[in-house]
Amino acid sequence: DAMVIQNPRYQVTQFGKPVTLSCSQTLNHNVMYWYQQKSSQAPKLLFHYYDKDFNNEADTPDNFQSRRPNTSFCFLDIRSPGLGDAAMYLCATSDKPGLAGVRLSDNEQFFGPGTRLTVL
Amino acid sequence: TQLLEQSPQFLSIQEGENLTVYCNSSSVFSSLQWYRQEPGEGPVLLVTVVTGGEVKKLKRLTFQFGDARKDSSLHITAAQPGDTGLYLCAGPINNAGNMLTFGGGTRLMVKP
Repeated sequence: DAMVIQNPRYQVTQFGKPVTLSCSQTLNHNVMYWYQQKSSQAPKLLFHYYDKDFNNEADTPDNFQSRRPNTSFCFLDIRSPGLGDAAMYLCATSDKPGLAGVRLSDNEQFFGPGTRLTVL
Repeated sequence: TQLLEQSPQFLSIQEGENLTVYCNSSSVFSSLQWYRQEPGEGPVLLVTVVTGGEVKKLKRLTFQFGDARKDSSLHITAAQPGDTGLYLCAGPINNAGNMLTFGGGTRLMVKP
């Protein structure tokens, strides 16, 4: 089945030790997103790619970087994780481009199962 | 900034009870989506509502979009333990394209 896959499902890292989370998709979608979700809170968009065009949300810390080497894969790099970065990280994809005027009804975001990051 | 507020934040009920959760905004949205997120998983889309006053049904779930397209509700009839999860509403940021803003969610627990 076509899907969004995230690895690993659980990641433990030490304070300040770089970590990379990965996401792959078999849906061949143009757009890929990274969200951060802290306990009992809504997902917060960190950045998204439309094809290879990278879009950073204004309040995403510089500590977070992303790479999309091809359509299928997207990576989230946390350069120096702090205790406050412990969260669930969700990857999502969608099909149509994020153009003004495109109705959301045409666009569903497909989420992966998430990677739960623990920072010790 | 378009904000979505969901209420209640937490809801614990017995199997068989009915419930309604709400998603409200002071802004008009071109459409709203409802997602359910089970523990340890990513959100899964339940429905998209696009027309003011629209009602959509998905088995025991009934979704309504307010006439003014500023609010939406989700009603569950005869809740079951399998309905347990986090219910999120989401709308397009600036009513444009794919970018979503999410409400804070309603965490529902249905006890057998």
